[in-house]
Amino acid sequence: GAGVSQSPSNKVTEKGKDVELRCDPISGHTALYWYRQSLGQGLEFLIYFQGNSAPDKSGLPSDRFSAERTGGSVSTLTIQRTQQEDSAVYLCASSLVASGRGAYNEQFFGPGTRLTVL
Amino acid sequence: GDSVTQMEGPVTLSEEAFLTINCTYTATGYPSLFWYVQYPGEGLQLLLKATKADDKGSNKGFEATYRKETTSFHLEKGSVQVSDSAVYFCALSATGTASKLTFGTGTRLQVTL
Repeated sequence: GAGVSQSPSNKVTEKGKDVELRCDPISGHTALYWYRQSLGQGLEFLIYFQGNSAPDKSGLPSDRFSAERTGGSVSTLTIQRTQQEDSAVYLCASSLVASGRGAYNEQFFGPGTRLTVL
Repeated sequence: GDSVTQMEGPVTLSEEAFLTINCTYTATGYPSLFWYVQYPGEGLQLLLKATKADDKGSNKGFEATYRKETTSFHLEKGSVQVSDSAVYFCALSATGTASKLTFGTGTRLQVTL
C-alpha cells in the first residue's frame, strides 16, 4: 500500500489479557516509531527502530510493553496483562532516514489502533 | 528533557478570522520543528516544518517561523475556513538523524460560519 497501515483498527479486550498490535510501514522506510495517544497523556513516544540498530525503548511505560520488528519491515507491539490505563489509540509511523545538515525525517503516520481495556 | 508547550484549546473562530496558535519549546541543540494536523476521523498529517532558525514553514495558507531567540514556532493563518477545523499539534525532533517526535498537548480548532 501507499501509506502506513495498522491492524486491527479497533481492539476490545479484558483486563489481564495480552494484545498484539501490528504495523506495516511504508516500503523502503528504515525507521519505524510507535506512539500512544490518550486523553490524559496526549501523544507519547513509546519506541523506535532504525535499521539494524538497537531500538530506542526509552518511552515504554512498563515492562508489560514490548515491540519487535521482523526483517526490517513489519512491527508488532505487544502489551501483556493489559490494564485499563492502557486504553488509548496506538499510532505507528515510519520515515525514510536522511542525514546531514538541515536533514529531517518526516514521519508518516498510520490510522492507529484504538485499544479499549474493559 | 525536550518539551513542547502549546496553547490550550479549544479555539473557536468565525470563518475568515485570523488564527494564531502559540507553541514554545525546550530542547538541547537545534531541533527541527513541526506542526501536525489531525482532521476528524483521520490520522496525523504533517502540515509544515522548519529545520533551522529563521526558517518559515508554510502550507495550505498556514505559516510558522522558527524563532530561536524566543524558542517559539507559532502557527498562523490569515483567514480560516470551516475545513480547517481539526486538532493541531506542535512537535520537535533532533535534526539530522532518525529521532522521536516530542509533541505538545494539541489545540482543537473549531471554525464556524
